[in-house]
Amino acid sequence: EAEVAQSPRYKITEKSQAVAFWCDPISGHATLYWYRQILGQGPELLVQFQDESVVDDSQLPKDRFSAERLKGVDSTLKIQPAELGDSAMYLCASSPRTVKLTDTQYFGPGTRLTVL
Amino acid sequence: GENVEQHPSTLSVQEGDSAVIKCTYSDSASNYFPWYKQELGKRPQLIIDIRSNVGEKKDQRIAVTLNKTAKHFSLHITETQPEDSAVYFCAASEDTGRRALTFGSGTRLQVQP
Repeated sequence: EAEVAQSPRYKITEKSQAVAFWCDPISGHATLYWYRQILGQGPELLVQFQDESVVDDSQLPKDRFSAERLKGVDSTLKIQPAELGDSAMYLCASSPRTVKLTDTQYFGPGTRLTVL
Repeated sequence: GENVEQHPSTLSVQEGDSAVIKCTYSDSASNYFPWYKQELGKRPQLIIDIRSNVGEKKDQRIAVTLNKTAKHFSLHITETQPEDSAVYFCAASEDTGRRALTFGSGTRLQVQP
């Protein structure tokens, strides 16, 4: 069964450093989401792509976060500079272009970021 | 935007008992309501979902009910087992696959053997 891939699985960095996360959605999925999950809370959307275009980045802290999906396939989320409050699980999810009744969003394993 | 509230935040039951988790949402345009189970350090796993054209859906020991008029939906787990212990999240979306999910704050379920 196809799965969403993410790397790295764990990242420890010092504040003010730059970090980058990678996501490879399920093949053929047009929509890609980045969510941030702070410990003890539900995931919150950072950015949504439809193919290579940003659909919603209203909750993305654009002074330090950037996201791209240049060829409409895999995606990179970057933080520069990282702050202590960025420590969280970063989850990538994808969903197909034509949504059937059985479809949903499929989550990757996440990247656990710790900022020291 | 959408706001999803989830209660209770923690729930402890004896093995074999039933567990009920409730969520309310604010946006009447929402029409897709999934429930996720998340174990510590792992990805959210979809356990059941419901769309607004039905009021109830059941899958073995798990059921979800939806009241669109009152804007609330609930997860029911019967005959709970220790392996049901996890954090459960409800979520809402306008359109599966075209809109992001708005999640509740989670319920930590502990099933005592």
